[in-house]
Amino acid sequence: GENVEQHPSTLSVQEGDSAVIKCTYSDSASNYFPWYKQELGKRPQLIIDIRSNVGEKKDQRIAVTLNKTAKHFSLHITETQPEDSAVYFCATHNGRGSTLGRLYFGRGTQLTVWP
Amino acid sequence: EPEVTQTPSHQVTQMGQEVILRCVPISNHLYFYWYRQILGQKVEFLVSFYNNEISEKSEIFDDQFSVERPDGSNFTLKIRSTKLEDSAMYFCASSIGQPGTQYFGPGTRLLVL
Repeated sequence: GENVEQHPSTLSVQEGDSAVIKCTYSDSASNYFPWYKQELGKRPQLIIDIRSNVGEKKDQRIAVTLNKTAKHFSLHITETQPEDSAVYFCATHNGRGSTLGRLYFGRGTQLTVWP
Repeated sequence: EPEVTQTPSHQVTQMGQEVILRCVPISNHLYFYWYRQILGQKVEFLVSFYNNEISEKSEIFDDQFSVERPDGSNFTLKIRSTKLEDSAMYFCASSIGQPGTQYFGPGTRLLVL
């Protein structure tokens, strides 16, 4: 099955700096790559996603890049703010066969943004 | 904005007891999921459900687990005889299509004593 590795496990940055979180995956059939943000005690919320036919996607201060050849994708947050502090999870989905929607998650990155 | 809801938010039970976790997916969604997250670990897929039947289940989803959509709105996860290792946060999610954005509920924290 799919194996998703996420790094780093913790990341501390100063407000205004950029943050980058990286994930690698093993299944070349994976075709959908969402990123979720989970604040303490709250539900995971989708912040951005990318499909396999696209190399990069941007939404204001957040961007995701995908390298299908190398099987890795990254989350970039620019101009970080204290409210960006949360756990971020990457995930993958493959459209093979009967796997209707199963997401494989990374272990998460605890991002702390210091004012 | 519509949200997935889950009840209860917390559940404490004795080992060997049955628990039912309830979810109300977003009303026009067609695909439903259960995930769990053991404290400090990654979110793990349990089961997906579409068209009133299980689409896929993980190796975690053994005979002690079952899912049901008893009416047009609720989606339930039943654990027949809970074990200590079932203690986790259980998330329900739903999506309108595949692959599609999965919207997660707030979770039910299950503690098995």
